[in-house]
Amino acid sequence: DAKTTQPPSMDCAEGRAANLPCNHSTISGNEYVYWYRQIHSQGPQYIIHGLKNNETNEMASLIITEDRKSSTLILPHATLRDTAVYYCIVRVSTNAGKSTFGDGTTLTVKP
Amino acid sequence: EAQVTQNPRYLITVTGKKLTVTCSQNMNHEYMSWYRQDPGLGLRQIYYSMNVEVTDKGDVPEGYKVSRKEKRNFPLILESPSPNQTSLYFCASGREGARGYTFGSGTRLTVV
Repeated sequence: DAKTTQPPSMDCAEGRAANLPCNHSTISGNEYVYWYRQIHSQGPQYIIHGLKNNETNEMASLIITEDRKSSTLILPHATLRDTAVYYCIVRVSTNAGKSTFGDGTTLTVKP
Repeated sequence: EAQVTQNPRYLITVTGKKLTVTCSQNMNHEYMSWYRQDPGLGLRQIYYSMNVEVTDKGDVPEGYKVSRKEKRNFPLILESPSPNQTSLYFCASGREGARGYTFGSGTRLTVV
């Protein structure tokens, strides 16, 4: 699975959009981009995933660049409860086999 | 409610005393996995299972064993725990084509 690079921390004002970047320059054509988040020491929570097209669900939007070497997770209206560590991972299949989580980005939403 | 259940949530044990952390899922998922989380090291995969009787090593398998005799259960076994296995452990399950892994609430293990 491709390695990902994320900034260690970011701040966002409450009510504003939070844009979390992820670099995955060595991604292969059949690898998906997944985003999870972890609040305090709870189990990580799935947010969204995509292959090449932009995706949107009730939690967030995922923008993948045309060359697929980077992506951005967008939380459109961040709330204090969105304060968490956000992980971007890349893997060849949806849920099978090896998967590696890096250190993620600690997002702090401020009032 | 669809969930992954880990037990116990907290455990303090002594070096060398065998222990098992149980993991059970009620979603009929084929895939299950164990992770450990340590400060500054992110989530590291210990073992994973593709289906019943099919398991394989993740990134940090040393000192751990797993078994998958039934689809719903994936216990993590520490035959002779050592202090460097003090960590927060997560079990997760998923299926092909699904949205992503569902994680358990975690087991905080301390080995003294």
